[in-house]
Amino acid sequence: DVKVTQSSRYLVKRTGEKVFLECVQDMDHENMFWYRQDPGLGLRLIYFSYDVKMKEKGDIPEGYSVSREKKERFSLILESASTNQTSMYLCASTLFNQPQHFGDGTRLSIL
Amino acid sequence: GQQLNQSPQSMFIQEGEDVSMNCTSSSIFNTWLWYKQDPGEGPVLLIALYKAGELTSNGRLTAQFGITRKDSFLNISASIPSDVGIYFCAGRNGATNKLIFGTGTLLAVQP
Repeated sequence: DVKVTQSSRYLVKRTGEKVFLECVQDMDHENMFWYRQDPGLGLRLIYFSYDVKMKEKGDIPEGYSVSREKKERFSLILESASTNQTSMYLCASTLFNQPQHFGDGTRLSIL
Repeated sequence: GQQLNQSPQSMFIQEGEDVSMNCTSSSIFNTWLWYKQDPGEGPVLLIALYKAGELTSNGRLTAQFGITRKDSFLNISASIPSDVGIYFCAGRNGATNKLIFGTGTLLAVQP
């Protein structure tokens, strides 16, 4: 079974802090994704990556950056956290054209 | 970004009833996926559909890829309390590996 592991289930940070969300997958997948999930809005793509050191903007990249230094790890960075970034963050990975497999999510609260 | 039109938004049913939900898109897709998300967890893949007209079952779940390639439905027969959760459809268009997600159907099952 594919295992996508997000480092924290719950995280509380303060406005202005730099926040790192980590995601690791164990299936040698090329493609990794970061989504945020908000009530009534479904899943919205923030960033994705097709390979190491490659990144592409999704639909809502503003206020976020990513890092993919190793194939198995995809990090989401909030450079200066704001309250409107309080959300559920989901990481996913896949081989090209296969269904995405998700982690359990990180519920992030920015105070 | 584009989102799929998923309906209904929520369903409150009695144990044993059958359930039907669907997604429609203005775009043609070549893949339809159905996911279930339990409270506090990440989405888990239920069924993947790759061909127009394809009908696929997974236990009490049945999903179909619409002939027009612009819609898909998911049926759950003889619902049980553990069917509770949010069900998402997702579609993929062409060669891109990006998924477009529906806004979800919240299912509540009364024992």
